Amino acid sequence: EPEVTQTPSHQVTQMGQEVILRCVPISNHLYFYWYRQILGQKVEFLVSFYNNEISEKSEIFDDQFSVERPDGSNFTLKIRSTKLEDSAMYFCASIFRPMNTEAFFGQGTRLTVV
Amino acid sequence: LAKTTQPISMDSYEGQEVNITCSHNNIATNDYITWYQQFPSQGPRFIIQGYKTKVTNEVASLFIPADRKSSTLSLPRVSLSDTAVYYCLVGDSDNQGGKLIFGQGTELSVKP
Repeated sequence: EPEVTQTPSHQVTQMGQEVILRCVPISNHLYFYWYRQILGQKVEFLVSFYNNEISEKSEIFDDQFSVERPDGSNFTLKIRSTKLEDSAMYFCASIFRPMNTEAFFGQGTRLTVV
Repeated sequence: LAKTTQPISMDSYEGQEVNITCSHNNIATNDYITWYQQFPSQGPRFIIQGYKTKVTNEVASLFIPADRKSSTLSLPRVSLSDTAVYYCLVGDSDNQGGKLIFGQGTELSVKP
């Protein structure tokens, strides 16, 4: 079964540091997403990406966040200056096309900001 | 986006059938109903999707009445490994660029 791969599985960083979370979406998928889930809370949409540009972003996705697809396979989320409240699980997802088809999620990166 | 309402938690025992109902009174004509499952510290996983009547796959069944204002996810003969959070999502993924909006979900606890 195809899968979305995320690295690292766990990242600990100091407040104010930059982090890059990496994702390898399913190869023939065209739409990519980042979600986050703070411990004990619901899964929250951050940003969607299509055709090498952001198609939609939530209010959570402020200027500290950026996404990039630097090559044909990786999809990254960068947090420029981490805050304590950025501690959460970050999930990458991809979908072939948003026409009522299944979205595939990665296993997530647990980000801990200390 | 249609708002969904589902029970916060449910308890069941191994071998029982579990039915989780989701209300979506404001569902639009183009909206599909999709259920995802999430285990602790894992990403959500697609279970089933439907538009009307009944859909069945190897994991679950989805029952949607004619008015489509609710839907019921049915898990036959649950096991301990079905303990997870189940999310009901409603939307026209085409117009929304495919993004999924998750509610609080239903935390299902299966006991031996």
